[in-house]
Amino acid sequence: AQRVTQPEKLLSVFKGAPVELKCNYSYSGSPELFWYVQYSRQRLQLLLRHISRESIKGFTADLNKGETSFHLKKPFAQEEDSAMYYCALRNSGSRLTFGEGTQLTVNP
Amino acid sequence: NAGVTQTPKFRILKIGQSMTLQCTQDMNHNYMYWYRQDPGMGLKLIYYSVGAGITDKGEVPNGYNVSRSTTEDFPLRLELAAPSQTSVYFCASSMGTGEAFFGQGTRLTVV
Repeated sequence: AQRVTQPEKLLSVFKGAPVELKCNYSYSGSPELFWYVQYSRQRLQLLLRHISRESIKGFTADLNKGETSFHLKKPFAQEEDSAMYYCALRNSGSRLTFGEGTQLTVNP
Repeated sequence: NAGVTQTPKFRILKIGQSMTLQCTQDMNHNYMYWYRQDPGMGLKLIYYSVGAGITDKGEVPNGYNVSRSTTEDFPLRLELAAPSQTSVYFCASSMGTGEAFFGQGTRLTVV
């Protein structure tokens, strides 16, 4: 069985502070990991995926297979980063499983 | 360029009624998904499909049925609505490369 866990339902930081959204997973095979974001009154959309190893809107995430983690990080949070963030795992059969989500609030 | 379209956007059902949530995509994606989003619970996978004629259960399939007769459409059927099915429902599609494109959601209330 595959499972994605986001331990923090709410996370609040000040503008300019670093932010880290935690994600842990369990899956016996080789997973693909993603971060999705849902801004207020917008559709859920892809933020980044582990295989691309790129930085999107200043966010990065590294897959750590030893710790089964895929934490999302940004060195300097901006107010426009306030949103709901979901970590997701796709297995070899294309079953896409999401975590519980973390509501990030960046205060001015 | 419509992407993933869900109808209706809002619906109120009485207990025991049935309804179908419609989902259609115009991107020729093989993979389609239905999720429900409950406050504090994240997105739970109800059913998914890897192609026309093929469907499989997700984490919370009880009380729902799906069909996939065409590549474009993936309707979700509620046969006997219950208050526990009050939620926001999202349909998504994917090429299978990982990026899923989501609909705008259907907010369903069962009273």
